Amino acid sequence: RKEVEQDPGPFNVPEGATVAFNCTYSNSASQSFFWYRQDCRKEPKLLMSVYSSGNEDGRFTAQLNRASQYISLLIRDSKLSDSATYLCVVNSGNFNKFYFGSGTKLNVKP
Amino acid sequence: GAVVSQHPSRVICKSGTSVKIECRSLDFQATTMFWYRQFPKQSLMLMATSNEGSKATYEQGVEKDKFLINHASLTLSTLTVTSAHPEDSSFYICSAKRTGTSSNAGELFFGEGSRLTVL
Repeated sequence: RKEVEQDPGPFNVPEGATVAFNCTYSNSASQSFFWYRQDCRKEPKLLMSVYSSGNEDGRFTAQLNRASQYISLLIRDSKLSDSATYLCVVNSGNFNKFYFGSGTKLNVKP
Repeated sequence: GAVVSQHPSRVICKSGTSVKIECRSLDFQATTMFWYRQFPKQSLMLMATSNEGSKATYEQGVEKDKFLINHASLTLSTLTVTSAHPEDSSFYICSAKRTGTSSNAGELFFGEGSRLTVL
């Protein structure tokens, strides 16, 4: 079983739409969670960390559900510039390894 | 923000040759660096964890004799792909976690990646 699983998409949405991605993880001892954004042929960049209480940064909201072992990312009012692949990242229980989901591709259309 | 530099960004080599990729943390010390490989349209796969002053820890299925990792200082880790074959062609990315951050803190800082093509 993969450490982290994501729906690869693509999610094709119009500008202004709200879109949500989920990501499940297998290690119940995982301690920290992140969403990264990767543009084509570029390195991943941190979008936001995911806290137990959930967190919001502008149009982006991240949630953690430990009971069901998933994290989510909600993007409101999608912009064309949001088009990218969103990677779910989970830090393993021993704190020193980061595992990536396969990424969810988002295409925001005009 | 912290910067990680990776070199070379692109390399083409003949089958059977070895290629070395360098990963440097430019403005922070990194006791631990990670090496990932990414095939087209797939996610980053952790290959190994590079530990300064000790042996690297390899993920299951990654040949340690083929992918040699050296972490000689707190700012430099190298990955050498030995006797490269066309199936080793991939995007290799290193990342580093700043030394001194708490164990559950998180951000990884990534190098720009190295695209290896083996002919």
